[in-house]
This record gives sequence, C-alpha cells and structure tokens, in this order.
Amino acid sequence: KAGVTQTPRYLIKTRGQQVTLSCSPISGHRSVSWYQQTPGQGLQFLFEYFSETQRNKGNFPGRFSGRQFSNSRSEMNVSTLELGDSALYLCASSKRTDRVTEAFFGQGTRLTVV
Amino acid sequence: AQKVTQAQTEISVVEKEDVTLDCVYETRDTTYYLFWYKQPPSGELVFLIRRNSFDEQNEISGRYSWNFQKSTSSFNFTITASQVVDSAVYFCALSGVRTSGSRLTFGEGTQLTVNP
Repeated sequence: KAGVTQTPRYLIKTRGQQVTLSCSPISGHRSVSWYQQTPGQGLQFLFEYFSETQRNKGNFPGRFSGRQFSNSRSEMNVSTLELGDSALYLCASSKRTDRVTEAFFGQGTRLTVV
Repeated sequence: AQKVTQAQTEISVVEKEDVTLDCVYETRDTTYYLFWYKQPPSGELVFLIRRNSFDEQNEISGRYSWNFQKSTSSFNFTITASQVVDSAVYFCALSGVRTSGSRLTFGEGTQLTVNP
C-alpha cells in the first residue's frame, strides 16, 4: 500500500511570505502529526490532527497552523515566514491518537526561507 | 517531562565491524513506547522497531538487534557486520501514553558512517 506522501518536496520562499505544505497519510490512518527538523533543534513536534480535530500541540508560535480534511489529508501553514523557519518538515501517519504504536513518516518538505 | 539522549553524535566504522548506538530515556509514564528510526540522506524517517515498556525481551532482526533495559532506562541498537548502506542518521524516540499520547520525543540522532 502507498506510504505517506508529502508535497511539495522542496520549496523556496521569501521572508514575510506564507507557505502551505500537504500530507496524505497511509490509507486507513486517521492521525497525522507534523514535525520540524532543524540542525540546531533536532526533531520537534508541531501538532497532531485526528478526525479533523487538533489533538495535540507543540511549542510553536501561532504562525504555525494546520488542518485536516475529511479524507484525513492534512495541511500545515506557516505565515509571515522567518529565516529560522527553514527546515525539513516531516509528516507522520498513525492509526490512532491516544498512543503511538506505529508512526510512518513521509519524505518531508524541505523549506528554505531567503 | 520526557527526554531522550543519544550521547553519540557521530560514529565512523569500517565495513563488517559491529556497532552499537546508545539511547537513554527519561519518562514518568509507566506505559510508554520506544522506537528507532533510520534517516537516509533522502530525508524520510524509516521505522525500524517499536518496543513497549512491558516487554523487555531483546529482539533480533537480521543484522539488527535491540537491547531494552528498564533498570538503566536504555534502549540500545546494534548493527552486526555493518555495511555501507547502513550509513544514515539514526534516531531513538519515546512516547509516553499518559503524558504525550501520540507525540514522539526524539533524541538528537547519531550519524553513522560505514566506510568501505
């Protein structure tokens, strides 16, 4: 079965712009989590959506937001981009939300802010 | 709070050597899950193994083996007879059922380089 699909793979944006990233989970998985990976901070949890509701949120400013659609696909949005938002954004797909017994990741979207 | 520590930032070995990647964790949860992921240069995190806190049995899968010891809060990963294709960044991760639910807390990662 198809894995987790993230689009686009690469993105270059200018400071102050906004960006939307997309994630399609594995078929049958209803939980989608987002992580930011940077050399300095490592892998950090952004938020998680399950059944179109945000269930869990990390310590990121309000410029980072997300949503989930009825088909479980998820988008995350970053407004007013800053240079420090340059990172690899990874999406993880799971069946359930109350505990992680398995989490499968996509290839990520590499965002560069110039 | 939960924490995962991978003290080895980089490891370099020669092909066919055995190598062990260390992982130490902290959690107040009594039920939790531990994971290892591999991240090749392409960026995707590849799931390797999951262990729950009630199962301390060690596991072997081909050249990979994992040693889980609750007494020392460690979940170490050994690659036997390493190969060049094993070169990647390896992450240990933790999820505590009560405190974090679906959230994974990752270690800093260990860059493994296997030289021919």
